[in-house]
Amino acid sequence: GAVVSQHPSRVICKSGTSVKIECRSLDFQATTMFWYRQFPKQSLMLMATSNEGSKATYEQGVEKDKFLINHASLTLSTLTVTSAHPEDSSFYICSAQEGRYGYTFGSGTRLTVV
Amino acid sequence: ELKVEQNPLFLSMQEGKNYTIYCNYSTTSDRLYWYRQDPGKSLESLFVLLSNGAVKQEGRLMASLDTKARLSTLHITAAVHDLSATYFCAVDRDQGGSEKLVFGKGTKLTVNP
Repeated sequence: GAVVSQHPSRVICKSGTSVKIECRSLDFQATTMFWYRQFPKQSLMLMATSNEGSKATYEQGVEKDKFLINHASLTLSTLTVTSAHPEDSSFYICSAQEGRYGYTFGSGTRLTVV
Repeated sequence: ELKVEQNPLFLSMQEGKNYTIYCNYSTTSDRLYWYRQDPGKSLESLFVLLSNGAVKQEGRLMASLDTKARLSTLHITAAVHDLSATYFCAVDRDQGGSEKLVFGKGTKLTVNP
């Protein structure tokens, strides 16, 4: 089946620094990838839709300049959390759309900002 | 705006018992997804329901979809401890030609011995 690899799985960074999270589709091409954030004991909230070769589409309330998304190839999308603060600590999950109805999720990245 | 509501949000059951989780959604959609999430982990796909009347079963879990009622159910038969997890339903939201998943709040299932 389709596999999406997400790295790193855990990252601790200092407040004010930037962190990059990678999401790769390993055995299929993904023109569309999605980035979610999940706070403890809550559901997944869509942050943005990443389209290969074009600008990402952000959901309402998500700061574009803070959460930079790049989808430079059909197998790689990256999320960079810029100038991270403790309130950005969360579980970030990417997803890639495969075919018409398939969504495959990465393993998630636990970000802790200290 | 598409809204997806799950109930119950918390479910504690005894092993061997049956129960059903409900997922209601607010706008027309023919595609509904069920996922399982274990603590600290990402989502595991359980079922994809693509048409009205669709029923799928895997082990002790069975999912169904009624698009007219905008309702999906996840039925648990003879629960075992290993089924303890959080279960999410999600519905495709088609907006401007792009599709996105909208998730319910999740149902945290605890199966007690």
